Amino acid sequence: QQQVKQSPQSLIVQKGGISIINCAYENTAFDYFPWYQQFPGKGPALLIAIRPDVSEKKEGRFTISFNKSAKQFSLHIMDSQPGDSATYFCAASTKSGGFKTIFGAGTRLFVKA
Amino acid sequence: GAVVSQHPSWVICKSGTSVKIECRSLDFQATTMFWYRQFPKQSLMLMATSNEGSKATYEQGVEKDKFLINHASLTLSTLTVTSAHPEDSSFYICSARETGGGSYYEQYFGPGTRLTVT
Repeated sequence: QQQVKQSPQSLIVQKGGISIINCAYENTAFDYFPWYQQFPGKGPALLIAIRPDVSEKKEGRFTISFNKSAKQFSLHIMDSQPGDSATYFCAASTKSGGFKTIFGAGTRLFVKA
Repeated sequence: GAVVSQHPSWVICKSGTSVKIECRSLDFQATTMFWYRQFPKQSLMLMATSNEGSKATYEQGVEKDKFLINHASLTLSTLTVTSAHPEDSSFYICSARETGGGSYYEQYFGPGTRLTVT
């Protein structure tokens, strides 16, 4: 019940295209859903996050879509660029769980120039 | 703002020795810090939650006596890998939650420490 399932495992997108990564969760107590970007040999960096009272959040080229009833959320990267090539992790946490963050398995994105 | 540092960034040690990794919040106070472990091409696995002034809470399957965590101040947590073995080789990452400020949930991650045990 603590799992966050992420797909696809890897993704290749043409420059300028849209990258879409999906995640699903079971624990309805989760109340914070961040997305992280990680480059090789570096720590993860927060990209964008959403609370379950909102169905969509957009920051620049990054958009989170959130479907509370389906317990699913997704990251859309518009106008994907080669510099976006990295590993992306969805995650979930809950205040009642001491703010522990549960990470998805990760998606390795490669944007072709 | 909200910078977390780790030291060292990489370390090589011999089997049987102990290694200490420091995690510091540079410009904020952190009541809670988290320690993660990441194997190559895998996700981050939470090892333990470190609360300032109290004992760490370890996740199931993590050996408390092997991975000693100390959170002695609001800006510093340390992870000591005792009697390290090659299977302990991994990328160790810490994160910190800002005490009473900003986003209630947001964690700030350190750059990670690469541990290689020979």
